[in-house]
Amino acid sequence: DGGITQSPKYLFRKEGQNVTLSCEQNLNHDAMYWYRQDPGQGLRLIYYSQIVNDFQKGDIAEGYSVSREKKESFPLTVTSAQKNPTAFYLCASSIPGLGYNEQFFGPGTRLTVL
Amino acid sequence: QKEVEQNSGPLSVPEGAIASLNCTYSDRVSQSFFWYRQYSGKSPELIMSIYSNGDKEDGRFTAQLNKASQYVSLLIRDSQPSDSATYLCAVNMYSGGGADGLTFGKGTHLIIQP
Repeated sequence: DGGITQSPKYLFRKEGQNVTLSCEQNLNHDAMYWYRQDPGQGLRLIYYSQIVNDFQKGDIAEGYSVSREKKESFPLTVTSAQKNPTAFYLCASSIPGLGYNEQFFGPGTRLTVL
Repeated sequence: QKEVEQNSGPLSVPEGAIASLNCTYSDRVSQSFFWYRQYSGKSPELIMSIYSNGDKEDGRFTAQLNKASQYVSLLIRDSQPSDSATYLCAVNMYSGGGADGLTFGKGTHLIIQP
């Protein structure tokens, strides 16, 4: 089955620790995205990548880092510099170039900082 | 400032009636418009996309786009209790080629009353 997987589903972190969230897709999509959702809020863009070995900052990139070494994978690291990391993190992918950019989401990772 | 505005609700609709959800956006160069459904604790699911002025129908769902007035709406006919969810409006506000991130509204909470 084609789809987007994210792991872990739940993640607990102590203050001052870096954590990495996994996102893998087998849809053969070129573009991948990371969003953050806070309670009662819409999604906000953290980083996105249109092609392997290239990525761009979104609206709230501070305190986060990404890599795109493989087409299928786009991991997100939440660093200790992120002031308020507790949130629901969502990974998405799309096929760019069509001008439409329909994005499909993985199941998400819920991060809690203790 | 790129903005997408939605009434947060809750919007309460009797079962079998038409639910009408509205969204306005700030950027006139926006090209693509999407409606996502999000159940509590789950990730967003793409239910409609629209790119041209007018109506687009898919089953019980109709998306309406008016670029001159900068609004997009979603109609749900014959509302069912399973339609109770938060509906997110998303806009692709890129001005050129490629696949940028989407700008999301905060969502409208829809409740279908049996």
